[in-house]
Amino acid sequence: GAVVSQHPSRVICKSGTSVKIECRSLDFQATTMFWYRQFPKQSLMLMATSNEGSKATYEQGVEKDKFLINHASLTLSTLTVTSAHPEDSSFYICSAQHSGPTSNYNEQFFGPGTRLTVL
Amino acid sequence: GNSVTQMEGPVTLSEEAFLTINCTYTATGYPSLFWYVQYPGEGLQLLLKATKADDKGSNKGFEATYRKETTSFHLEKGSVQVSDSAVYFCALSGYSSASKIIFGSGTRLSIRP
Repeated sequence: GAVVSQHPSRVICKSGTSVKIECRSLDFQATTMFWYRQFPKQSLMLMATSNEGSKATYEQGVEKDKFLINHASLTLSTLTVTSAHPEDSSFYICSAQHSGPTSNYNEQFFGPGTRLTVL
Repeated sequence: GNSVTQMEGPVTLSEEAFLTINCTYTATGYPSLFWYVQYPGEGLQLLLKATKADDKGSNKGFEATYRKETTSFHLEKGSVQVSDSAVYFCALSGYSSASKIIFGSGTRLSIRP
């Protein structure tokens, strides 16, 4: 159980286009989902916290108009990179936090990541 | 604020060697502690966790003990395999709901046959 999927796994796009990445919790409900960005050989940087039915909370320095997050249901959150540029090329990883009585230690389950390359 | 410091890599060992990756943390209250593993080209997988002092997390031959007195959570394995080659992240999370996970910088481990 507790599987999180991401789609697509990799995407290549031209500069100026927008790209949407989906994050789904397949077998559990997730009130909260997180979006991370990882640069080569570096750690994960939290971009934003997404709560179902409300606006996402962005970390300092992350442009909310650039990285649009929608969490419309308890099993789906989307990240849209708008007007992508080469510097947006990165590995984007989502995680979902299990809701319910077993989540007493706040475990997050991570998706496999999406590699975005902007030409 | 909360932070995690782990030993820098890369770490290169021969197969069957003993592994230690050091991790120390700074946090208020009683955080939960985690080790995550990232295999090449993949996302993170939870390797093991500990939620209170003196707890020992273990999985796949890896162990780590939550030491509050030394604020440490060192990862150990008695005999590593080539398949253990990956990047290992130490992390912590607060107790409140929707707590953020704070990650260490990661340690790249390479095992020689």
